[in-house]
Parts: sequence; structure tokens; C-alpha cells
Amino acid sequence: GAVVSQHPSWVICKSGTSVKIECRSLDFQATTMFWYRQFPKQSLMLMATSNEGSKATYEQGVEKDKFLINHASLTLSTLTVTSAHPEDSSFYICSAKATSGSGTQYFGPGTRLTVL
Amino acid sequence: SQQGEEDPQALSIQEGENATMNCSYKTSINNLQWYRQNSGRGLVHLILIRSNEREKHSGRLRVTLDTSKKSSSLLITASRAADTASYFCATDNLREYGNKLVFGAGTILRVKS
Repeated sequence: GAVVSQHPSWVICKSGTSVKIECRSLDFQATTMFWYRQFPKQSLMLMATSNEGSKATYEQGVEKDKFLINHASLTLSTLTVTSAHPEDSSFYICSAKATSGSGTQYFGPGTRLTVL
Repeated sequence: SQQGEEDPQALSIQEGENATMNCSYKTSINNLQWYRQNSGRGLVHLILIRSNEREKHSGRLRVTLDTSKKSSSLLITASRAADTASYFCATDNLREYGNKLVFGAGTILRVKS
């Protein structure tokens, strides 16, 4: 149990385009989902906390108009990178915290974004 | 910032040896968790230890927590080549940081066969 999926697993796009990444909790409900960004050989940096039915909470330094987050249901959150630039190229990972249980966060497999 | 630090940054051992990784953090915590990440993949949850626990075991994994020193260690016994991965500790403090996890810098473990 406790499986989180992400789609797509990798995407290549042109500079200036927008890319949407989906994060789904497959077998549990998640009131809260989190979006992280990870550069090569570095740790995960939290970008924003996504709460079902309300606006996301962004970490300091993360542009909310550039990284649009929608948490429309208890099993789906989306991250849209708008007007992507090469510096947005990174590994984006989501996690979901079960509504009930120990509070463990379960992570998706990540999405590799490359902006040309 | 509660950003943790882990040492060593990189560790290379022979198959069968034990691997020990350490994690330090700066503020009080509710829980500390260890995760593994294979190259280019997501994180796999290994073990959670609560702030009132001192030691926990899971298979070949042993985690200790010393809240007075604000540190934790992860021991992998009888390592295997498949244990090659990055290992991260992550802490949470519900009152100070809500549901957020704060990750350490990670240790890159290489197990040579």
C-alpha cells in the first residue's frame, strides 16, 4: 500500500512553454501533498505544501505565479511550471501524507524536467 | 533553518561490511525518518523513529536517536551492492513547521561487490 505516482516521469520542453506534472496517491487519501525540487547530487528542497481544497503554501523564494499548484481532490495534486526556462530544469518530486495513520510521507518516483 | 547535516557526504565500502551514516539537526523534533534514494528515482521510506525512542530496528537497519545531541545514526549491517544509493534523514516538528519535513544533505553510499 501507500503508493504515489507521478506523471510524466520525464519531459523535455522548449523554453517559454508550460509543463504540468501530476502527483497521485493511488491507494490512500492525502489531504496534504508536498512538492520538492532536487538538483543533481543535492538534497530535496521543499517548494510548496498543497492542501486539498485550498491554496498552496509556498516556501520563501518560490514564485507562486511560476509554479502553479492545484490540489483538486484527495488523491491528485498538479504542479504547472509556467513559461519554463533552462534554469527550471530539475528533478521534481511530490510526496503525500495520508489523512490517517502515522503521518509518514510517501514519495512519488519523481519527474525529470529538461528545458531546452 | 532546521536543515540537517549528514556525514559522511560519501561512503564507499565492500560488500558484507557495515555502513554507518550520521545525521544532525538544529531544533527540537517530533520524529526523524530515514529515506533511501536510488539514482534518478524517488525516495523510499526506510524507518521512522519518534523523539521519545532511542533505538529502532528493521531488518538489517538499525537507527539510533540522541535528542540531547540532536543527532541520529543509520547502520546498515552486512551491506549488499543493492544498498548503493543516497540516504537522507528528515525531521519534523508539528508545532514549529506544521507537516513539513526538513531533509539533511544526504550520504551517498557505494557498496562494492
